[in-house]
Amino acid sequence: EIALTQSPATLSVSPGEGVTLSCRASQSVSSSVAWYQQKPGQPPRLLIYGASTRASDIPARFSGSGSGTDFTLTINSLQSEDFAIYYCQHYNNWPPMYTFGQGTNLEI
Amino acid sequence: QVQLQQWGAGLLKPSETLSLSCDVSGGSFTSHYWTWIRQSPGKGLEWVGEINESGNTYYNPSLESRATISIDTSKNQFSLNLRSVTAADTATYYCARGHRRFCSGDNCYFFDYWGQGGLVTVSS
Repeated sequence: EIALTQSPATLSVSPGEGVTLSCRASQSVSSSVAWYQQKPGQPPRLLIYGASTRASDIPARFSGSGSGTDFTLTINSLQSEDFAIYYCQHYNNWPPMYTFGQGTNLEI
Repeated sequence: QVQLQQWGAGLLKPSETLSLSCDVSGGSFTSHYWTWIRQSPGKGLEWVGEINESGNTYYNPSLESRATISIDTSKNQFSLNLRSVTAADTATYYCARGHRRFCSGDNCYFFDYWGQGGLVTVSS
């Protein structure tokens, strides 16, 4: 079973800064990687799919990249509303199985 | 706009059956897989399983022996039953829209619409 490890677990930054969040797979995987943002009391919100495609209505300051075992989510010019927990997710084709990372908490 | 509205019992005793349902409005109900995902402090986000309008299901192997996902296309509704629950099944459960049927390739597999979530607590 593929495991996703996100790092760091917590990241303290200031508004206006840029950050790069990491998601590492336990073995080389396809680029069926998505990223989500979750705020307290809300469901996750899709940000990126296919490793690098922004979802609808997601600001351009969010970008995704990566292949193989290493994937990243970059957020430029952090806004106050960006402080949340971020999760990566991978889909394994067979047997069909979705796996999530344990999350990175982005805090002020 | 696609909306998912979920409901079901929130407090269960060990060995009981968890039952949740999700109503879908907007969009095409027959073009996607419909999914259950749960989130607990100990295990984070965990995919439970999915179903399409033909009733084809796929489950997380760790839950397959206890989980049943069903669908009612006449009501645009899908449901989750999880048998023999224990405290380890305590979590917030979400319904979500999964990938489009017949979509292949890396840009297909994500969850773009979610229900509001419902906390299920298993306690004696």
